[in-house]
Amino acid sequence: GIQVEQSPPDLILQEGANSTLRCNFSDSVNNLQWFHQNPWGQLINLFYIPSGTKQNGRLSATTVATERYSLLYISSSQTTDSGVYFCAGGSGSRLTFGEGTQLTVNP
Amino acid sequence: DTAVSQTPKYLVTQMGNDKSIKCEQNLGHDTMYWYKQDSKKFLKIMFSYNNKELIINETVPNRFSPKSPDKAHLNLHINSLELGDSAVYFCASLGREGLINEQFFGPGTRLTVL
Repeated sequence: GIQVEQSPPDLILQEGANSTLRCNFSDSVNNLQWFHQNPWGQLINLFYIPSGTKQNGRLSATTVATERYSLLYISSSQTTDSGVYFCAGGSGSRLTFGEGTQLTVNP
Repeated sequence: DTAVSQTPKYLVTQMGNDKSIKCEQNLGHDTMYWYKQDSKKFLKIMFSYNNKELIINETVPNRFSPKSPDKAHLNLHINSLELGDSAVYFCASLGREGLINEQFFGPGTRLTVL
């Protein structure tokens, strides 16, 4: 099955800093999502982005499908951005998750 | 309006017991899932149903049995609970719109087996 590798595994930032999270896939995917799991455990949809670039406020994502990777950009980070960021990808109705990036934003 | 809901949110039980977790979605989706998130936060698919029919069945002990009474509900029944079953279980549903296949997750059920 498909392998999903996320980096870095852990990231600690000061409030206001920018960051880039990366997701690599072992094979082509037709579906790709980024999620934020907040400290209360909720999985929140950030982007559905099998290709191209999208922006939502301080967050943006870019997927280069031909090179099998996706990037999540967080600008001007806030303490509420803390949590685990997951990417997940696959074909058809199946998603395989990466192991996540644990982000801590300190005030 | 809750899109994907699960009950209960927390479940604490003894080894050997049988328990069920319920999931409902009001999004009109045809496909639903159960995922398990272990203590290291790794999310792994367990089952998927499409219109009440099982389409994905990962290597899961047969003590776990999903049941879909209709396409809006997917319940998970677990027999003879073991310590290693302690985890957070997430239900999800799949929205299809053209080429878009986007999954939406419930709030999770934290199962603790003592």
